[in-house]
Order: sequence, then C-alpha cells, then structure tokens
Amino acid sequence: AQSVTQLDSHVSVSEGTPVLLRCNYSSSYSPSLFWYVQHPNKGLQLLLKYTSAATLVKGINGFEAEFKKSETSFHLTKPSAHMSDAAEYFCVVTPNTGFQKLVFGTGTRLLVSP
Amino acid sequence: DGGITQSPKYLFRKEGQNVTLSCEQNLNHDAMYWYRQDPGQGLRLIYYSQIVNDFQKGDIAEGYSVSREKKESFPLTVTSAQKNPTAFYLCASSMAAPNQPQHFGDGTRLSIL
Repeated sequence: AQSVTQLDSHVSVSEGTPVLLRCNYSSSYSPSLFWYVQHPNKGLQLLLKYTSAATLVKGINGFEAEFKKSETSFHLTKPSAHMSDAAEYFCVVTPNTGFQKLVFGTGTRLLVSP
Repeated sequence: DGGITQSPKYLFRKEGQNVTLSCEQNLNHDAMYWYRQDPGQGLRLIYYSQIVNDFQKGDIAEGYSVSREKKESFPLTVTSAQKNPTAFYLCASSMAAPNQPQHFGDGTRLSIL
C-alpha cells in the first residue's frame, strides 16, 4: 500500500524568500515520486520526478526536491519565491514498476505576498 | 502542439440527466485516466484505460461510465446514479510504461442546476 502526507495545507511566504513544501510518503515498493503544480481552474503540470536515479532532482521554474529514504520524505524547495509561484502543489507517489496508479497528497496551497 | 483537450470547460446537469465529458489527446499515449477533484481531497481515480477497448474501475467508479473506442479519446459519462456529481473533473494520459508521468488536461467543472 502507498500513501502520501503533505504536512501543510497552506504555506505563506514573501516574494524573494525561500519556499519549502513538505511531503512524506509510505510505500511497500521502491517508489517513484512526483511534484505537480495546479493554478486555479487549470490542470496539473509536472514540476519534477524522482525515479530511483539521483536523489536531488531539479525541476522547472527553479524548483528542486530531495529524496530521503531514511526519512521517507520528498520535500519541494525553491531558493526565491516569485509571485507567479502562488498555486496548489501536489506530491504524488507510485510504484516503480507495473501500472502507474498515482496516489495524490491532499495538496499545499502556496501564498506569495509582495 | 501536443496535449490533452477537455470539453466543455463548464457543464451543468439537471436532476436525472446523464452528461458526457469529452477528453481527446494527440500525444500518442496508450493510457488514459479520469480523476475527480474535490476541495481538500486531492485527486481520486474514477476510471483508467491502458489500451483501446479496455478499461478498469478506479477508486470511485460508481455512478460513472467510460468508453475507449479510439486511442485518442476517452469520454466520461456522469450518470443520474451519481448523487453528488458537483466537482472538477480532470483527464490525463501517459505512456503505458513504468515511471512515466501523467499529462493533464485543463479540466471540466460540473455543477448541478
């Protein structure tokens, strides 16, 4: 069985300050992990993915995430927030083999103030 | 540009009515998916299809039906048996191979009249 816990439902930052969105996972198998971003009334866009290669994964728009097996975490970071980063972010886990049924976290809403 | 097109963007359903949501992709993906999104609950899988003429129930299939007659198309029907259909519906597709991310359409928002 697999599950994802996003530890914060809302995160507020000021423009230009670092962003940290936290995600813990549980998986019976070696997992693949993804972060997606969703802007209002839009679909989900892939930010980055981890699939058992390098543990530090770089994504689009300056985001990166580090896979830590010992902590079962996959936190998303960005050094400097931009106003356009304000959106909902989803952490997703799936088995590393077989059919790709995605298990979604409940999301973290990132608010960016000027 | 390759992508997934969902239509309509907004849809209203009357009591006792079936409605169909369209999903078309030109990414040449074998697998397609339908999700329901409710506030604070993330995404839940309704149906998925890994190949033409075959589909499987997801976690919340009751009150929904699908077909997969063409690789490019995966329409979702919300039947009158679905008593709480108000939600944001997202269609996705992916290559049918391990570790492939899913690509999403822009969604259809369904409301009850």
